[in-house]
Parts: sequence; C-alpha cells; structure tokens
Amino acid sequence: DQQVKQNSPSLSVQEGRISILNCDYTNSMFDYFLWYKKYPAEGPTFLISISSIKDKNEDGRFTVFLNKSAKHLSLHIVPSQPGDSAVYFCAASALYSGGGADGLTFGKGTHLIIQP
Amino acid sequence: NAGVTQTPKFRVLKTGQSMTLLCAQDMNHEYMYWYRQDPGMGLRLIHYSVGEGTTAKGEVPDGYNVSRLKKQNFLLGLESAAPSQTSVYFCASSPKRTGGQQFFGQGTRLTVV
Repeated sequence: DQQVKQNSPSLSVQEGRISILNCDYTNSMFDYFLWYKKYPAEGPTFLISISSIKDKNEDGRFTVFLNKSAKHLSLHIVPSQPGDSAVYFCAASALYSGGGADGLTFGKGTHLIIQP
Repeated sequence: NAGVTQTPKFRVLKTGQSMTLLCAQDMNHEYMYWYRQDPGMGLRLIHYSVGEGTTAKGEVPDGYNVSRLKKQNFLLGLESAAPSQTSVYFCASSPKRTGGQQFFGQGTRLTVV
C-alpha cells in the first residue's frame, strides 16, 4: 500500500513556464517532506524540503507547498529550464516523531520534460 | 570531494551466485541506507544502519544481508542471487541531526540471469 503517491508518471512543460509536480501521502506520522531530482545513471540529489510546521518553503526557482489537511504537497519550478528535465521524487519521513533514522518513503517519481 | 561512493557500478550475476556491494562515505555520517529502485517504482528501503555495528531491516529486506563494521562503510550482501533481485541499488548516508536529508551514491546496476 503506497504511502507516498505521485500520480503523474510524466509531465511536459514549455521552457519558461511553470512546472507543478504533485505528491499525496497517507501516513499521518509523516512530518518532513523532501523532493529529489534524478538524472539517468545518477543517484538522486536533494532539491528542497519542508517540515510540517510550515506550509511553504522557497529556494530560488523552487517552491514547495504543503497542505497538511489534504495530505498534499506540490513542487513549483519557475521558470522551467531545459536542465530541469529529470525524474522528480517526492519523499517523506516521520523525522520529528522519532522515525528520522528509519529511512525515507519515496513516491514512484514524475518524469518532467521541458520542451524548448 | 567524493561523498558517497558505490562499488561496483555494474554487475551481472548468475542465479545462485553471491556478491557484496560496497558503499563508502567520507562525510562522517552516522546513518547509512540501502535502497533498490525498480522500473516505474520509487526507491524502496532494504536495510539501514544508525551507527557502526548496528543494522536494521527496511521495507524489502528478504534475500539481503548487511554489515557496518566501520562507520564509513556499509556492505550489502546477496547470498544466493535471484532474477527478482535485478535492480538498481542506491546507497545513502545522512548525519545524525540532519533534517532528514540523505546523500546518495551513483547507484549499482545489478542484473541476475
């Protein structure tokens, strides 16, 4: 039973426009959420995170929004650039409730394609 | 600035053979993890370690063993490989007081025929 869901396997966006990647979770114990970016034949690299006490975190072109009541988070990339083409994984942990050492629970990923 | 290094990068095994995947990190991190990624799937946790000499089971531990004899190294063993263990394996590490962020190696692509 998937605890972290990314329901869009792929997303195509024009260069310069906004990319919005969505993620839903079911486990109420999750209190820390991360987005990872992955290029082919490489390991995932950390992009941005948010704790459950916030509803928004921004880092340059990347913003993550968290809606705890809906158990939903989204990653916004503005403006989208060709180098953003990659697979994006949403991940979650129960960091602040003592489960931080237990590893991350990942979604299946969304393949973002930025078209020129 | 190596970070997390996995050895080997590629391997082909015959069913029933054994092998060990090595993960080494030079960031003095306490926690280390082994994940597997299958096509169309996210990463799934196999085993993890919260310190030297400790290991614990993750979501999909069957068929694997691990050891953490040194803080910087985390070994993943397959005693008798099966085709179902064909996958890409990722090692990760994180500091003890981290905020949850994990640092990943480049992956090992394992094919069991």
